[in-house]
Amino acid sequence: GQQVMQIPQYQHVQEGEDFTTYCNSSTTLSNIQWYKQRPGGHPVFLIQLVKSGEVKKQKRLTFQFGEAKKNSSLHITATQTTDVGTYFCAETGNQFYFGTGTSLTVIP
Amino acid sequence: DAGVTQSPTHLIKTRGQQVTLRCSPISGHKSVSWYQQVLGQGPQFIFQYYEKEERGRGNFPDRFSARQFPNYSSELNVNALLLGDSALYLCASSFGGRGTEAFFGQGTRLTVV
Repeated sequence: GQQVMQIPQYQHVQEGEDFTTYCNSSTTLSNIQWYKQRPGGHPVFLIQLVKSGEVKKQKRLTFQFGEAKKNSSLHITATQTTDVGTYFCAETGNQFYFGTGTSLTVIP
Repeated sequence: DAGVTQSPTHLIKTRGQQVTLRCSPISGHKSVSWYQQVLGQGPQFIFQYYEKEERGRGNFPDRFSARQFPNYSSELNVNALLLGDSALYLCASSFGGRGTEAFFGQGTRLTVV
């Protein structure tokens, strides 16, 4: 089956520092979605990327889809304690294949 | 508007027993997917149903089965429970199938003892 890897697995940052998580696939992705899961919560949709090289921004979050559609990244500028959680990418063809996730801890 | 609702929220079962988990999608959504999330890992795809037909199946044994009803609600059944089936079971609904945003329920925490 599909396997989508994310790095790093864990990231601890000081509040105000930037954070980036990377999502990589060995095969071309039809599209990719990003979700955030707070501790004890359920995944919440953030954004979907469809086009090769696409870049989308949501306030302090910047999402990119690679030119070859085999990788994606999520960058958070000036992290805040509310950014704490696990960030998952997911390939969404006929099924959803979630990445392994990056757990973000923000130290006040 | 109600979001995706799952029941029960927590469940404790004994090895070898059977369990049925229930999911009601957001009104108007025709697709329901089921995921298993073990602590510290990403959700693993189990099934997707769209318009009451199975659209996809993940790499899970035949002990796992599901169905979708005419009102688009869904049930996930797991037979002959193993300790390793202990996990958070998430249901997600979406308007369509391919490439549409998924809305997740709060999940059912299943513990097998």
